[in-house]
Amino acid sequence: EVQLVESGGGLVQPGGSLRLSCAASGFTFSDHYMDWVRQAPGKGLEWVGRTRNKANSYTTEYAASVKGRFTISRDDSKNSLYLQMNSLKTEDTAVYYCARVVYIGDYHIDYWGQGTLVTVSS
Amino acid sequence: DIQMTQSPSSLSASVGDRVTITCRASQGISNYLAWFQQKPGKAPKSLIYAATSLQSGVPSKFSGSGSGTDFTLTISSLQPEDFATYYCQQYNSYPLTFGGGTKVEIK
Repeated sequence: EVQLVESGGGLVQPGGSLRLSCAASGFTFSDHYMDWVRQAPGKGLEWVGRTRNKANSYTTEYAASVKGRFTISRDDSKNSLYLQMNSLKTEDTAVYYCARVVYIGDYHIDYWGQGTLVTVSS
Repeated sequence: DIQMTQSPSSLSASVGDRVTITCRASQGISNYLAWFQQKPGKAPKSLIYAATSLQSGVPSKFSGSGSGTDFTLTISSLQPEDFATYYCQQYNSYPLTFGGGTKVEIK
């Protein structure tokens, strides 16, 4: 069974940093691209970014709203995905989901974690 | 960036109704379109990818159609467990973008 479990959320002051983790199990993590998606309270879904797999040099893509502030990384030996968030703003307050990306003709999300809440407030 | 516009933003329907949700892309995205279902307080669930392909385990009452810029998600016979918010997402080009969501409520 595919499982994705996020952790590391919490309350942080504007300008601060936070690192989210996503522990993966039930599949060969190293084979897959992985995404981060967020959802501000009462709002819709917003794609944050993607990391590709080793075969694709672990390259990353980011939304403009987080580029230069957020960094996605992964440790395939630990089956873990990370989101390092720096220079946090109040508008980064959201539930952050990690999502597995699968290749079946194209690269698309198939599984989601349960999410972790990040609150940026003074 | 490609803008995804869903309509309606909300709808009221009865159990057994056929429901159709529309998603329009601001430019052509071929068939690189996914649909997700989200219930209150829960993570999204993947329903459809490549505009028409059902994710494993998703019941056949859900179907998707379209290509290019115009897409639809249809629920053939609405059941109580289908009341939720539905999102489309384009993955033709970065940044990936979602529609604003369609909330399906009980009439």
